[in-house]
This record gives sequence, structure tokens and C-alpha cells, in this order.
Amino acid sequence: AQSVTQLGSHVSVSEGALVLLRCNYSSSVPPYLFWYVQYPNQGLQLLLKYTTGATLVKGINGFEAEFKKSETSFHLTKPSAHMSDAAEYFCAVRINTDKLIFGTGTRLQVFP
Amino acid sequence: DGGITQSPKYLFRKEGQNVTLSCEQNLNHDAMYWYRQDPGQGLRLIYYSQIVNDFQKGDIAEGYSVSREKKESFPLTVTSAQKNPTAFYLCASSTIVGSGGEKLFFGSGTQLSVL
Repeated sequence: AQSVTQLGSHVSVSEGALVLLRCNYSSSVPPYLFWYVQYPNQGLQLLLKYTTGATLVKGINGFEAEFKKSETSFHLTKPSAHMSDAAEYFCAVRINTDKLIFGTGTRLQVFP
Repeated sequence: DGGITQSPKYLFRKEGQNVTLSCEQNLNHDAMYWYRQDPGQGLRLIYYSQIVNDFQKGDIAEGYSVSREKKESFPLTVTSAQKNPTAFYLCASSTIVGSGGEKLFFGSGTQLSVL
């Protein structure tokens, strides 16, 4: 069965520091991979997605993620954190055309 | 503006009571979904529908029911059989599942609490 694991339920960084949020998936076939962001008391918004083609995917707000098949990973990065990046981030996977499976989320805190 | 509207934002349920959460979309999307969000557990799929008058159970359908009488509406009823209903409920929609890369559009959620 497909699954997705987010390492670290909480990540704290200083403003201007590198952001790295980890996501690993399990699948025997090529997956579709997504990162969503959720601000307090709101729904989720798509940050970026990988379907096919280039393995480095750029999203909104300066975020990017790289699909690494050999490591079954899709980690989310941003070179320089901003206070407004504080939110909860969810990795999700869809295999074939089945339903979307979400990870348990990582809460990002950004300190001044 | 196109989007998904969930109402109410906050809802309280008494013991033994059924409550219904509303979800309306004007994006002309075929597929609609209900997720339950609990702290530390991410989002879990309750029900989804890809076409009017048809829907499928997700991973945690017990104690919930849905209907899809109109394309734009997908209400969720939390029945008295759901013994732990306190959670944040999210409705989403997407174009029909085809290539697999469709993104989900989410509503702003309903927080359900038990009195």
C-alpha cells in the first residue's frame, strides 16, 4: 500500500535560514507528489507538485522540491525563511489515479 | 470569485444528535471530497464523489454519510454513531481524476465540537 512519511512534526528556523521539510513515500510505481500549506484555521493550498518530467519542481513563495526516485523522497526547501512562512506543511502522494494520501504534517516555526 | 464555501465555520453537537456540514463549490469540478483533520494525524479521507448521485467510502467512513444530488454540493452528515466527532473538517474539489496530477481546492473548514 502506498504511504507517505513526514519526518519531524515540528521544525524551527530563524528568519533568513534554510528551510528543509522532509517527505518520503512508499510506492512500487511512479507516484504523483504534492506539497500543500495550511495557515491557521484555513484550508490547504497547493505549493507545488511533481507529475512527470523535471525532477526539480518550483512552487509558489520561493519553495521548491526535488523528486529523488532512488531515495523515494520529495523534500521541500526554501533558501531563506520568512516570518510569513510559518504554517503547517503537508506532503501528499497519489499513485495511479487513486485517492490522495496525506502525511501527518510538519509545523514550521520561524523566529526573528 | 470561484471557490469552495464551507458552513458553518464552527458547529457544536449534542450527544446523540446528527449534524450536517455544508460544502458548495462554483468551480464546476466533478470530484468532491471530505477530509477529517486531527492534530498530529494529518488529513484522513471520509468520503469522495466523482459524479452526481455517486460516492465512495474513504478510509474512515463509519459514522458519516454524504449525498451528491447536485454537482456543486456535497454535504456531510456526522451521525450519532460517530463517537469521536470533534475535529476540523475540510471539503475539497478537483477536476475529474484522470492523469493523477489534479490539484485539490480546499474550503476553509468547519470545526466541530461536542457539547
